[in-house]
Amino acid sequence: DSGVTQTPKHLITATGQRVTLRCSPRSGDLSVYWYQQSLDQGLQFLIQYYNGEERAKGNILERFSAQQFPDLHSELNLSSLELGDSALYFCASSDVPGQGAKLFFGSGTQLSVL
Amino acid sequence: AQSVAQPEDQVNVAEGNPLTVKCTYSVSGNPYLFWYVQYPNRGLQFLLKYITGDNLVKGSYGFEAEFNKSQTSFHLKKPSALVSDSALYFCAVRDGSSNTGKLIFGQGTTLQVKP
Repeated sequence: DSGVTQTPKHLITATGQRVTLRCSPRSGDLSVYWYQQSLDQGLQFLIQYYNGEERAKGNILERFSAQQFPDLHSELNLSSLELGDSALYFCASSDVPGQGAKLFFGSGTQLSVL
Repeated sequence: AQSVAQPEDQVNVAEGNPLTVKCTYSVSGNPYLFWYVQYPNRGLQFLLKYITGDNLVKGSYGFEAEFNKSQTSFHLKKPSALVSDSALYFCAVRDGSSNTGKLIFGQGTTLQVKP
């Protein structure tokens, strides 16, 4: 168990809908990262937050947004969903984002857009 | 920009034989390199990392990796493969010149160990 909790584990929804994915980082970790894993794109970095502030942005669509709350949990919001958004979404956390810091991954949320 | 390449989609080895999973990287600053493993329906698990120092890094479950600066490679190795090593392996890099903690991952290599 990595200590990173993601809910829900599975999500089935329809095109055009909006969903929220939730992540609780390991106790004490200030950084949260979101990744998208799909068969054709592999593991893509979406966005990083550190202690409530956005730290880095990757290949995140404008339809997607995220935030990190004062209690350090994070939410990834996906709107106007398309079939191509179906993927496994991972959250990871680390403590101080030093160069040697390793990321701890949650078990992921499997999103299916029908 | 930083990037990672894993040239093999799949590696097949027989149990008891040595295995190698290849990885090459590109960064502008000093590289910080990682290997992760993913079992079916699970998140990624950390195996090992290279930050500085000895080019041969030892990690979990008997795995090791060799850092080669001139060839910009960081291949994952194990002297004797187990069937239970069958999984998806990811190489990742963090650029030392960046002030973020993000890791950039390769496409992944499926390791299949046959009994």
